[in-house]
Amino acid sequence: KAGVTQTPRYLIKTRGQQVTLSCSPISGHRSVSWYQQTPGQGLQFLFEYFSETQRNKGNFPGRFSGRQFSNSRSEMNVSTLELGDSALYLCASSPGRRGVSGRDNEQFFGPGTRLTVL
Amino acid sequence: AQTVTQSQPEMSVQEAETVTLSCTYDTSENNYYLFWYKQPPSRQMILVIRQEAYKQQNATENRFSVNFQKAAKSFSLKISDSQLGDTAMYFCAFTSYSGAGSYQLTFGKGTKLSVIP
Repeated sequence: KAGVTQTPRYLIKTRGQQVTLSCSPISGHRSVSWYQQTPGQGLQFLFEYFSETQRNKGNFPGRFSGRQFSNSRSEMNVSTLELGDSALYLCASSPGRRGVSGRDNEQFFGPGTRLTVL
Repeated sequence: AQTVTQSQPEMSVQEAETVTLSCTYDTSENNYYLFWYKQPPSRQMILVIRQEAYKQQNATENRFSVNFQKAAKSFSLKISDSQLGDTAMYFCAFTSYSGAGSYQLTFGKGTKLSVIP
């Protein structure tokens, strides 16, 4: 099975611009989660999508948004970029079946998108 | 809210030796899962091992094993026969059912492990 893919791998933007990051989950996985990784704050949960619906959301401003398509691919958008948005953005996929315990909640991560805001 | 604490920012170990990374967490949940993830310089986050809170038996995956102490809320990772490829950041992570079928991960700050030849 192919792993989680993220595009692009690197991005450089300037303050005020907006950016869209893409994530393709493992085939058959319906849940996609996004995390932001910075040296200061570590790894923080942004949001999770399941079957095209946002199922959970972290504590980030409304400038951060996302969506999921019918093929489970997900995009994350950040508008009005700030210097502090510079980070590694990680996407993780899981089977995401509701209410199932066991290995179905394991998250498999992509290689990340490194965003630099100048 | 759950918190995960890794008290060792950096550690080193000689090749072929054993090292233990510490992790403590705080939660009021009774059913949850704990993970150790490895992030090498390539930045790809890789799942190393998982533990279900309802299982008393400690999880083992080849050279990796955990010491799970539920009452103490402690979840340490032991790496035996350390190899150069084990050099990476190691993150302890917690998840529990957050409603609507969602499991979000809460991570510790990480421990940077260096394996010395």
